[in-house]
Amino acid sequence: GENVEQHPSTLSVQEGDSAVIKCTYSDSASNYFPWYKQELGKGPQLIIDIRSNVGEKKDQRIAVTLNKTAKHFSLHITETQPEDSAVYFCAESSNNNDMRFGAGTRLTVKP
Amino acid sequence: GAVVSQHPSRVICKSGTSVKIECRSLDFQATTMFWYRQFPKQSLMLMATSNEGSKATYEQGVEKDKFLINHASLTLSTLTVTSAHPEDSSFYICSAPPQGLAGSEQFFGPGTRLTVL
Repeated sequence: GENVEQHPSTLSVQEGDSAVIKCTYSDSASNYFPWYKQELGKGPQLIIDIRSNVGEKKDQRIAVTLNKTAKHFSLHITETQPEDSAVYFCAESSNNNDMRFGAGTRLTVKP
Repeated sequence: GAVVSQHPSRVICKSGTSVKIECRSLDFQATTMFWYRQFPKQSLMLMATSNEGSKATYEQGVEKDKFLINHASLTLSTLTVTSAHPEDSSFYICSAPPQGLAGSEQFFGPGTRLTVL
């Protein structure tokens, strides 16, 4: 089962608005936190990741923040576009452990 | 980023037959590959870890005799679903870490949609 809690399960925003997805993990040894975007019928695509020695990382409209003390990390998408609509999965892993995935968030961006 | 391919992308078979799915790393060598299963509207569930040159390791509840894994080379892993039944219908996805580490960046294949009639 999943060791990562992801919220919300569904998220609907208007085009141009921001979207935030949050994940909480329990393993204090976790040090790698990727986010994947999965479109219908396709495999997950890595969109951004962060390691435990960094608190925030940004790539154009996408950013990820990590709070190791609280054991949670978040995905932020600004200026959302209809093509951002997809299912987003957070994940976490440590050096010797397999990657564990959240349950996913279905994001819908309304034009 | 690194590229992982899967073949076939879609397969429909009769109950009782066996189906082989291939996973290839196209521009890097992968000593380890992972096989996931994803049911509709659910997350990815790790089935097994494929290890080049040694036996695969299976997650709890996954039958190793039903889901045969062969890591034939540093760029190819195969998953064979033996005696498939309708409940095996699912989306099967493989992934590989270019750095060969379990806790590192993984690239996923496009997935294989298996439908067992």
